[in-house]
Amino acid sequence: DAGVIQSPRHEVTEMGQEVTLRCKPISGHDYLFWYRQTMMRGLELLIYFNNNVPIDDSGMPEDRFSAKMPNASFSTLKIQPSEPRDSAVYFCASTRLDSRSSFYGYTFGSGTRLTVV
Amino acid sequence: DQQVKQNSPSLSVQEGRISILNCDYTNSMFDYFLWYKKYPAEGPTFLISISSIKDKNEDGRFTVFLNKSAKHLSLHIVPSQPGDSAVYFCAARDYDKVIFGPGTSLSVIP
Repeated sequence: DAGVIQSPRHEVTEMGQEVTLRCKPISGHDYLFWYRQTMMRGLELLIYFNNNVPIDDSGMPEDRFSAKMPNASFSTLKIQPSEPRDSAVYFCASTRLDSRSSFYGYTFGSGTRLTVV
Repeated sequence: DQQVKQNSPSLSVQEGRISILNCDYTNSMFDYFLWYKKYPAEGPTFLISISSIKDKNEDGRFTVFLNKSAKHLSLHIVPSQPGDSAVYFCAARDYDKVIFGPGTSLSVIP
């Protein structure tokens, strides 16, 4: 099991450019989450999918942010155009919900550190 | 408005002593509470969880206590070890999504 795989690990881009972050969840997991970590807000949930369908995107900060999950093994988070305040670490996480009576949390990827200059 | 709060940004503890990390929450509908540990340049890793119907869960050196009436939970680490130095996130589940607190940075001094 390779875990949740995110790419790239680091991204430096200029303001106004489009940025695409990628995530491959653990095989068999039916939930996928995108989080953003900043010093001010900690870990904030941006959007999550269940069986490839977006369920809640209320955490997406602006229309500049969009996320897709075209299949069970791949998701993207896109920022267009990017701004310096988007600089943060972006995490993808996945889980499988077998039962509501037990829960052991999510498995996180190693994150993508985004710097917008 | 933060639903999960960790009011101590940092904590220092001597090796071998007890570390107590605190967390408060506002949403009485949370059904599971979790603690995650995060090292620099890595993703958070699951540490321990507790159902809202219990008041204590223990796993080795880690124990989580839940006080529903006070909407408060705590993580006890006994004895603390230098390898426990990390950022600890308190989290709570609201149906399908998990809400995280801002984190507490724990330093265990040898």
